[in-house]
Amino acid sequence: GEKVEQHESTLSVREGDSAVINCTYTDTASSYFPWYKQEAGKSLHFVIDIRSNVDRKQSQRLIVLLDKKAKRFSLHITATQPEDSAIYFCAASRNYNQGKLIFGQGTKLSIKP
Amino acid sequence: EAAVTQSPRNKVAVTGGKVTLSCNQTNNHNNMYWYRQDTGHGLRLIHYSYGAGSTEKGDIPDGYKASRPSQENFSLILELATPSQTSVYFCASGEDWGLYEQYFGPGTRLTVL
Repeated sequence: GEKVEQHESTLSVREGDSAVINCTYTDTASSYFPWYKQEAGKSLHFVIDIRSNVDRKQSQRLIVLLDKKAKRFSLHITATQPEDSAIYFCAASRNYNQGKLIFGQGTKLSIKP
Repeated sequence: EAAVTQSPRNKVAVTGGKVTLSCNQTNNHNNMYWYRQDTGHGLRLIHYSYGAGSTEKGDIPDGYKASRPSQENFSLILELATPSQTSVYFCASGEDWGLYEQYFGPGTRLTVL
């Protein structure tokens, strides 16, 4: 079946540095790529998404890049802060697929002081 | 504010017993989803619904049933619980067609002994 792979299971960066989390997908029909954040012991909440009609999207300190040719997308967190520590999940979905997301395995990001 | 609630939050069940997990949303979203979260697997879709009276199989439906009696409520039923179904279960709701963020409930931790 279709898969979304997150390359880093854990990532540790120093506060103020940038963090990059990479994902690849197998379904060439994927067109919607959201990212979710899960803080320790809590549920998931949406942070940013990108659609296949663009290759870059920024929301404050978050940047998402999409390379359709390589079937790869990435989340860049700039000027990291302690509250960025969490598990981040990437996901992918086709157009008009009733929101059937395929999730990556998650990347645990730790921000060191 | 958009809200998805789940009950119970924690459940211990015996092997072979019946378990019902409940989800309620006040977002007036047509789409609702049940996921399970296991270390190393991210989130996997069990069942979903695109309106009252509808249920659809997700990626891992075996051993689970779902029920959507109303716009607000979506239940996940384990008729004969097994230890392999020990997991954290998340319910989510989302807009039609799914190319928008999903709102997650707080999760239910289920242990099957």
